[in-house]
Amino acid sequence: DGGITQSPKYLFRKEGQNVTLSCEQNLNHDAMYWYRQDPGQGLRLIYYSQIVNDFQKGDIAEGYSVSREKKESFPLTVTSAQKNPTAFYLCASMGSSYEQYFGPGTRLTVT
Amino acid sequence: AQSVTQLGSHVSVSEGALVLLRCNYSSSVPPYLFWYVQYPNQGLQLLLKYTSAATLVKGINGFEAEFKKSETSFHLTKPSAHMSDAAEYFCAVTRAGNNRKLIWGLGTSLAVNP
Repeated sequence: DGGITQSPKYLFRKEGQNVTLSCEQNLNHDAMYWYRQDPGQGLRLIYYSQIVNDFQKGDIAEGYSVSREKKESFPLTVTSAQKNPTAFYLCASMGSSYEQYFGPGTRLTVT
Repeated sequence: AQSVTQLGSHVSVSEGALVLLRCNYSSSVPPYLFWYVQYPNQGLQLLLKYTSAATLVKGINGFEAEFKKSETSFHLTKPSAHMSDAAEYFCAVTRAGNNRKLIWGLGTSLAVNP
């Protein structure tokens, strides 16, 4: 089945540690996205990539980093510089009619 | 610039009643419009999309939405609510180009009462 996988589902880290969230897709889509979701704030765009080896900052990129070395993969690193990293993180890719397909999400808790 | 407004952050209906979730957009060019559903602790699932074809769009789970250019609206409806429809619903807009970014509404939480 084609789709987007994110791992792990739940992630716990101590404050001050960097953590990398995985996102893989087998939909053959060029564009991929990372969103952060907090209660009552909808989806906020962190980073997006329209093609391999290229990515752009979204609205809340500070404290995050990404790479896009392969078409299928778009990992997100939450660095220790992110002031409030506890959130639900969603990865998505974009289809031919601008619709986005989402993974199941990773809930990150930093204490 | 494009924007999306979802009227009502919380909507409550009785099982079997009509579901109406409101979405208004602003766009200077023909938009692409989407409705998504999110169940707790899950990713978003595409319900339906408008891409300049028929103005009445049918989606999954019995939902449909009508694109009304004069009202800049794309409201989501379902004739008869089921308990399983309780979820968060998001409206989104984009246009051709636009750096392939979607503009998202803040979401509407739908509760279905027995």
